[in-house]
Amino acid sequence: DGGITQSPKYLFRKEGQNVTLSCEQNLNHDAMYWYRQDPGQGLRLIYYSQIVNDFQKGDIAEGYSVSREKKESFPLTVTSAQKNPTAFYLCASSMGRDGETQYFGPGTRLLVL
Amino acid sequence: GQQLNQSPQSMFIQEGEDVSMNCTSSSIFNTWLWYKQDPGEGPVLLIALYKAGELTSNGRLTAQFGITRKDSFLNISASIPSDVGIYFCAGQLGAGGTSYGKLTFGQGTILTVHP
Repeated sequence: DGGITQSPKYLFRKEGQNVTLSCEQNLNHDAMYWYRQDPGQGLRLIYYSQIVNDFQKGDIAEGYSVSREKKESFPLTVTSAQKNPTAFYLCASSMGRDGETQYFGPGTRLLVL
Repeated sequence: GQQLNQSPQSMFIQEGEDVSMNCTSSSIFNTWLWYKQDPGEGPVLLIALYKAGELTSNGRLTAQFGITRKDSFLNISASIPSDVGIYFCAGQLGAGGTSYGKLTFGQGTILTVHP
């Protein structure tokens, strides 16, 4: 089946630790996105990538880093510099052409111990 | 950045009732999208609108792209228990440049349906 997978479903982080969230898609989409969701708020864009080996900061990029070495993969690292990392993280992808709809993965919930 | 105001924040309705929610923006969008999110899951696309004035249906769901391109609404007719969830609107400029593909989301409407 084609789709977007995120792993793990739940992730626990200790203070001062970096953690990496996985996002993989087999939809042959060019563009991929990372969003953060907090209770009672809409989704906020962290980073996005329109093409392999290229990515741009979104609205809340501080404390996060990404890479796009392969078309199907867009991992997100939550660094120790992110002071409030507890949230629900959502990955999305789209064909990348102007106005193409974004489709979302199932999400990863990150909790800080 | 741009802000979308989505209302109402929450709704408690009886099964069989119709539901209406809307989003307004201070600036225009070229695309409006409506998503539904179940608890602990990613949002699922319900309806996409690409043209000002467009009215689109998907089963019991109907959505419209406002003429001014600054608003959109979603109606659900004859609600059923499985309609429960959070509904998000999202606007997309889609005009390239630094805003390429970027979605701006509303805060969401939490829908509860009582049997």
